[in-house]
Amino acid sequence: EAGVAQSPRYKIIEKRQSVAFWCNPISGHATLYWYQQILGQGPKLLIQFQNNGVVDDSQLPKDRFSAERLKGVDSTLKIQPAKLEDSAVYLCASSPFGTGSAYGYTFGSGTRLTVV
Amino acid sequence: QKEVEQNSGPLSVPEGAIASLNCTYSDRGSQSFFWYRQYSGKSPELIMFIYSNGDKEDGRFTAQLNKASQYVSLLIRDSQPSDSATYLCAVLSSNTGKLIFGQGTTLQVKP
Repeated sequence: EAGVAQSPRYKIIEKRQSVAFWCNPISGHATLYWYQQILGQGPKLLIQFQNNGVVDDSQLPKDRFSAERLKGVDSTLKIQPAKLEDSAVYLCASSPFGTGSAYGYTFGSGTRLTVV
Repeated sequence: QKEVEQNSGPLSVPEGAIASLNCTYSDRGSQSFFWYRQYSGKSPELIMFIYSNGDKEDGRFTAQLNKASQYVSLLIRDSQPSDSATYLCAVLSSNTGKLIFGQGTTLQVKP
């Protein structure tokens, strides 16, 4: 089966610019997650979708970050305006199971964002 | 107190030795525990999960869980240079259902 696809692989932007990341989960996976991984730290959950609905966005900085999952498949994560501290790898993961289950958690290759 | 704590390392072991990676967690109600391996510049890869107290073995890997002590560990037997990576401990929160990661332990296996 094809894995979780993410693009772009790398992105360098200046602070205050905007950026968008794209994720295509494994076919049929209902749950999609966006994680932020700062260098030297573990991944931190930003937002969780169940189909096209938001389950948890408690750690998403909503003044600058937004995410959507139209039609319950692909998802985009946007940052506007970017800050230096947003430099991180943004990981998308998907699971065939719903909230509360980490079975079959598959991560994409991530997007490495550098804000200068 | 961090929800999931790991020693960041690096932990250095010689090839063929046993590497022992440790993790403590604060949510006493957690039931599911995971170990992910992350090579430099790559995404995390699930290598082990454990739900019951005791040991779970899979090839050269053994996960150990002690819920009373809120402690989970990963043993890697006959360590190989290819095992050199960051190992992330993750705990499924009993309150939120979120997967909470530790900061990871960097393992270096020297030939």
